[in-house]
Amino acid sequence: DGGITQSPKYLFRKEGQNVTLSCEQNLNHDAMYWYRQDPGQGLRLIYYSQIVNDFQKGDIAEGYSVSREKKESFPLTVTSAQKNPTAFYLCASTNGGIGEETQYFGPGTRLLVL
Amino acid sequence: SQQGEEDPQALSIQEGENATMNCSYKTSINNLQWYRQNSGRGLVHLILIRSNEREKHSGRLRVTLDTSKKSSSLLITASRAADTASYFCATRGAAGNKLTFGGGTRVLVKP
Repeated sequence: DGGITQSPKYLFRKEGQNVTLSCEQNLNHDAMYWYRQDPGQGLRLIYYSQIVNDFQKGDIAEGYSVSREKKESFPLTVTSAQKNPTAFYLCASTNGGIGEETQYFGPGTRLLVL
Repeated sequence: SQQGEEDPQALSIQEGENATMNCSYKTSINNLQWYRQNSGRGLVHLILIRSNEREKHSGRLRVTLDTSKKSSSLLITASRAADTASYFCATRGAAGNKLTFGGGTRVLVKP
């Protein structure tokens, strides 16, 4: 089956700890995105990548970092600088130009702070 | 601030009734998309309407776009309990290269 996988489903972070959320796609899509969703809210863009080894900051990039070493993978690291990391994190991908086509979403990772 | 704002924030209807939700946005767009999200899940794309289109249909879904009013509506006809979800509009700006999502409308369809 083609699609986007995210792991883990739930992640717990201790104060001062960096954690990495995984996002993998086998859709052969060029562009990938990370969004943050707070309860009862819409999605806010954290980072996006149009091509391997290239990525751009979204609207709320502070306290987050990404890498795009492979086309299939776009991991997100939530650093200790992110003071309010508790949220639902969604990864998405598109085939074609950024924003041009519909986005395919993974099932999400819920991050909680201990 | 978010580009798209949905109205109402929440909607409760009986199975078989129609559900209508609206999306307003602030700047010129290339296209507007509607997505659905079941509780605790990822989003699923429903329909895309381009700025030069006024209406599109897909099954029980009907989307309209009024660029003069910077607004769109999503109509779900003959709703089913399985339509219970949050619905989001997302806009791609004419000059931009990313999607901007609204806050969503939570729809509850009671059997």
